[in-house]
Amino acid sequence: AQSVAQPEDQVNVAEGNPLTVKCTYSVSGNPYLFWYVQYPNRGLQFLLKYITGDNLVKGSYGFEAEFNKSQTSFHLKKPSALVSDSALYFCAVREAQGFKTIFGAGTRLFVKA
Amino acid sequence: SAVISQKPSRDICQRGTSLTIQCQVDSQVTMMFWYRQQPGQSLTLIATANQGSEATYESGFVIDKFPISRPNLTFSTLTVSNMSPEDSSIYLCSVEDETVSWNEQFFGPGTRLTVL
Repeated sequence: AQSVAQPEDQVNVAEGNPLTVKCTYSVSGNPYLFWYVQYPNRGLQFLLKYITGDNLVKGSYGFEAEFNKSQTSFHLKKPSALVSDSALYFCAVREAQGFKTIFGAGTRLFVKA
Repeated sequence: SAVISQKPSRDICQRGTSLTIQCQVDSQVTMMFWYRQQPGQSLTLIATANQGSEATYESGFVIDKFPISRPNLTFSTLTVSNMSPEDSSIYLCSVEDETVSWNEQFFGPGTRLTVL
């Protein structure tokens, strides 16, 4: 069965500093990996995905994520955090042959000015 | 990207009653999903609703409690039946718009349900 873990409930970063939000996964076969963001009082928005190809995936709002097969990780990164990046971030995984997406518990990102 | 609307946006209901949540999409989509989310917590998939077939429910969710209709490619309803306070949650409709991008899900704004 597929699963995804976000080990940090909360990440605190100063504005302008790099940020990392961690995600590890477990899935049979090749994974499809996703990051979604939920801003306060707004719906979930797609950020980026890894399906195949280059391990470094670039997405919306300057975010990127690196797929590491050996470590079964898909950490979300941004070189310079903005206060407006403060939100709830979800990592998600899907088996390549399936259509069911499993979401992680979420990591709340706080960026201080 | 697909634009999704949900009705109602929120409701407060009495124990034992039922509420039907509507999900409307501005484009035709094959795959539609219903999730439940406690505020600030993760999403739990209730069921997958594809047009022309019966909804597929996840473990812990049954059709008698959460009946789903999918009459066409732009609309679906989820009913929360015989509600109890434990059903208080945010219910989210989600679709995959394969004409935009495969695998990416678009989410509605959610329906915040409180059961007294």
